[in-house]
Amino acid sequence: GEDVEQSLFLSVREGDSSVINCTYTDSSSTYLYWYKQEPGAGLQLLTYIFSNMDMKQDQRLTVLLNKKDKHLSLRIADTQTGDSAIYFCAESMGSSGSARQLTFGSGTQLTVLP
Amino acid sequence: DGGITQSPKYLFRKEGQNVTLSCEQNLNHDAMYWYRQDPGQGLRLIYYSQIVNDFQKGDIAEGYSVSREKKESFPLTVTSAQKNPTAFYLCASSIHRQGSREQYFGPGTRLTVT
Repeated sequence: GEDVEQSLFLSVREGDSSVINCTYTDSSSTYLYWYKQEPGAGLQLLTYIFSNMDMKQDQRLTVLLNKKDKHLSLRIADTQTGDSAIYFCAESMGSSGSARQLTFGSGTQLTVLP
Repeated sequence: DGGITQSPKYLFRKEGQNVTLSCEQNLNHDAMYWYRQDPGQGLRLIYYSQIVNDFQKGDIAEGYSVSREKKESFPLTVTSAQKNPTAFYLCASSIHRQGSREQYFGPGTRLTVT
């Protein structure tokens, strides 16, 4: 079945880069996502990558996908205290025209230290 | 302003009572979803709906019910049959579009049953 795994905690110093890792098991995943959740709030979509891409960059965010190893990472450059949150990796299998479920990892709590 | 609203933000109920959580979206999205989030865990899918008057069970549908009478609205009822209803409930929606599977989330409702 589908399974998405993430480490639970990550601490970095303000100004450093953060790298949050995720592994997934379903080789037929077509889309992979990163969501951010601040305390007591809903999830905010940060970025996503199609499975035929290796990398996607969006301002301070860089997503790397290693399809062979089923490994996804999110790098946040120049991490700020406002980046402290829980980050969820999610995968979906796609066929056009249908609503697909997302399978979420358990989330990584990022703590940015001053 | 387009978005997803959930109300109320906090809800308290006595054990044995049914309770309905509201979810409304004005994004003109076709699909809507309900997730449950417990501390230290990822999101688990309760129900989803791809179109008005149709919905499917997710991974943990037991003890819950939904309706989809209007495109904009997807209320979730937590029944007295749900053994452990205290949790954070998140509603999401998505549009059916080629190459797009991202889901957009509401702010969540925290339900406490005592």
